[in-house]
Amino acid sequence: DTGVSQDPRHKITKRGQNVTFRCDPISEHNRLYWYRQTLGQGPEFLTYFQNEAQLEKSRLLSDRFSAERPKGSFSTLEIQHTEQGDSAMYLCASSLTGKAYEQYFGPGTRLTVT
Amino acid sequence: AQTVTQSQPEMSVQEAETVTLSCTYDTSESDYYLFWYKQPPSRQMILVIRQEAYKQQNATENRFSVNFQKAAKSFSLKISDSQLGDAAMYFCALIQGAQKLVFGQGTRLTINP
Repeated sequence: DTGVSQDPRHKITKRGQNVTFRCDPISEHNRLYWYRQTLGQGPEFLTYFQNEAQLEKSRLLSDRFSAERPKGSFSTLEIQHTEQGDSAMYLCASSLTGKAYEQYFGPGTRLTVT
Repeated sequence: AQTVTQSQPEMSVQEAETVTLSCTYDTSESDYYLFWYKQPPSRQMILVIRQEAYKQQNATENRFSVNFQKAAKSFSLKISDSQLGDAAMYFCALIQGAQKLVFGQGTRLTINP
């Protein structure tokens, strides 16, 4: 399978705990995007990387959120001190540089904070 | 700022009939792309159709076609010969420059057998 993969698919955590999600993009894609989708809403942009450089962060990405892409391949999204409002689907997408109009999405990680 | 608005939270259609989903958007740019994505229940986002703003011809993909009205900033999706597998959330989205997608709120489409 050469598509975008995300791990885990589901995560249940207690309020105050830290969680980390992983995204593996399509291998030749150097752009990687994170979106958040709350129930019944469309996805909202969080951040994106060009190789290992984080080029843009949304205001939605509070100080408790951090994303990395250390070697320009896979990316991690960490949420510290989770809150119930963090419950959402976290989507990852990837594309080639200059082809942001061809973003391929992964299956998402559904986070539930209890 | 770019915005995308889908005013129909839910739509339903009889199998084999035609349905049209509405979308309006706002952008200050002249060069952008518009999309319709499909998200089946518990499954990942799939691109249905893409329209480049500089192209006057409406995009078509098999049973899916769009009505792109640039001056009115309107971008509707027509699904012909609806099939049970078309049931999903449909999101209209916009991208300008080389960055992020901006999505609408979504329309839940139900297909009645």
